[in-house]
Amino acid sequence: SYELTQPLSVSVALGQTARITCGGNNIGGRNVHWYQQKPGQAPLLVIYRDSNRPSGIPERFSGSNSGNTATLTISRAQAGDEADYYCQVWDNSAYVFGTGTKVTVL
Amino acid sequence: EVQLVESGGGLVQPGGSLRLSCAASGFTFSSYWMHWVRQAPGQGLVWVSRITDDGTNTNYADSVKGRFTISRDNAKNTLSLQMNSLRAEDTAVYYCARGGSFGYHFDSWGQGTLVTVSS
Repeated sequence: SYELTQPLSVSVALGQTARITCGGNNIGGRNVHWYQQKPGQAPLLVIYRDSNRPSGIPERFSGSNSGNTATLTISRAQAGDEADYYCQVWDNSAYVFGTGTKVTVL
Repeated sequence: EVQLVESGGGLVQPGGSLRLSCAASGFTFSSYWMHWVRQAPGQGLVWVSRITDDGTNTNYADSVKGRFTISRDNAKNTLSLQMNSLRAEDTAVYYCARGGSFGYHFDSWGQGTLVTVSS
């Protein structure tokens, strides 16, 4: 089965840029989606199909995907961006999530 | 506004059964694929099952295949998950999620319902 690997944690200074990676075999050939999950809350879609933002998601959130790595970038990080972030792809009639990354804003 | 409200969670003994429901509102329910996704305590997200908009096609994660059954009632805007032969490892918060258009993602989520399998 297809596997997606994310760093366990990423730290970013307030106002700086955080980059969260999602590794998978030739992931650049797939559509990657990203979710934000704050403690005690349901996940929230922040990026779909590699680089598209749903309505209401700030422009500070962006995505890219190439080769074996997809990346979620959070620019001008705010305290409210502290959360777990998950990447996700569709593979052979199943939906696969990454291992999740905890983002801490310092 | 899209709303998804899960219900039916609770404590059940190993080997027991439970039926989850998800009440949908704020959108044309019959036009969307729907999913169940679960999250064990302190763990990541795991997709469980999917049903197409008309209910004719379903898919399941290997871990629940043969034990769980997803269904929907488009007249009542309700999604269901019948869970049989429950195991301790099925303990999780179960989320109802709407499938996004064309992209095989999840564009709206409910708040979840907790299922605890324990004796």
